[in-house]
Amino acid sequence: GQQLNQSPQSMFIQEGEDVSMNCTSSSIFNTWLWYKQEPGEGPVLLIALYKAGELTSNGRLTAQFGITRKDSFLNISASIPSDVGIYFCAGLDNQAGTALIFGKGTTLSVSS
Amino acid sequence: EAQVTQNPRYLITVTGKKLTVTCSQNMNHEYMSWYRQDPGLGLRQIYYSMNVEVTDKGDVPEGYKVSRKEKRNFPLILESPSPNQTSLYFCASSLGTMQYFGPGTRLTVL
Repeated sequence: GQQLNQSPQSMFIQEGEDVSMNCTSSSIFNTWLWYKQEPGEGPVLLIALYKAGELTSNGRLTAQFGITRKDSFLNISASIPSDVGIYFCAGLDNQAGTALIFGKGTTLSVSS
Repeated sequence: EAQVTQNPRYLITVTGKKLTVTCSQNMNHEYMSWYRQDPGLGLRQIYYSMNVEVTDKGDVPEGYKVSRKEKRNFPLILESPSPNQTSLYFCASSLGTMQYFGPGTRLTVL
């Protein structure tokens, strides 16, 4: 089936640094989503992208839907300790149904 | 408050003892699904349901069953659990692409 390659697998950064992570796919998606999962919780939707080239921000978070529709990235600016968690990308191919395909996650650690 | 609830949150059981994890949503969503999350493998879809009485296999359906008799509930059934089903399970419901996850059920099968 379709797979998403998410990188990096983990990141260890200092508070205040900017963070960038990305997802790539061998096939086209019509929607890209970015989720954050904190310890002991379920994933929470951060940003949804619906159009190729779309750039969307949510506070310190910015995500882009790649022009080729096969990739997306998420940037976090000026990281803070509460940014810690696992970030997942997810893609949706509407023509293939409504099942989301998830990346394997990027674990972010922030030291103060 | 709009939410997805799962019960139990934690469960330790033994091989072969049938169990059910319940999932309920109060948002009147038609689409619901179950995922399992394992270290290094991310979230993998087990089963999904596009509406009442309509269920389909996801990526890893072996050893699981589901039912969707009413819109709000989507229980996950393990008829004969095995240790390789030890995992963290999430139920989700969605309206369009906005998928809402439950808090998770950590299952250990001894």
